[in-house]
Amino acid sequence: DAGITQSPRYKITETGRQVTLMCHQTWSHSYMFWYRQDLGHGLRLIYYSAAADITDKGEVPDGYVVSRSKTENFPLTLESATRSQTSVYFCASRGDEQYFGPGTRLTVT
Amino acid sequence: AQSVTQPDIHITVSEGASLELRCNYSYGATPYLFWYVQSPGQGLQLLLKYFSGDTLVQGIKGFEAEFKRSQSSFNLRKPSVHWSDAAEYFCAVGRGAGSYQLTFGKGTKLSVIP
Repeated sequence: DAGITQSPRYKITETGRQVTLMCHQTWSHSYMFWYRQDLGHGLRLIYYSAAADITDKGEVPDGYVVSRSKTENFPLTLESATRSQTSVYFCASRGDEQYFGPGTRLTVT
Repeated sequence: AQSVTQPDIHITVSEGASLELRCNYSYGATPYLFWYVQSPGQGLQLLLKYFSGDTLVQGIKGFEAEFKRSQSSFNLRKPSVHWSDAAEYFCAVGRGAGSYQLTFGKGTKLSVIP
């Protein structure tokens, strides 16, 4: 199916564990983005990527790592999850507009 | 740094009434402005965008927005609200023509009374 997908859709993990959120787009868009959405904060940019092997920090990058070995994939890794990283995470890619994935709801206990 | 303010956290309107959601931005250069809608449990969908030209832009689902540079505003309007418009609405400003790095407002939740 064409579009942008995220997996898993829901994830519960424990403090200190590493967790990776996956993002895949089928359009071959150059730019991809990761946002987190928290009540009262709207969406905040974590990291973005202009192309394969090119990534840069956004507004709230601390505690997150990204990679982009292939144009279509842009995984986000929480190296040691903390409760403050409980959030809904959205991936997006940019074509003629920015297209958002369905989101991953992450709970860190 | 750019910023976006949506002064209204929650708005309730009756079905059939008109709607205006406020958005004020702060950005040094010519802004690229967007309105997104998010239904519960869903991702964001673009309603409309402003890059240049006509300051009144039309979007999907009967929405429009007007860019007012003098007031640093980009308010979203709809003449007659439908129950299906109940959702959360986000205004965003984009930096640069290339990257579309977006800064979002905190959102306005719209409730519609039947």
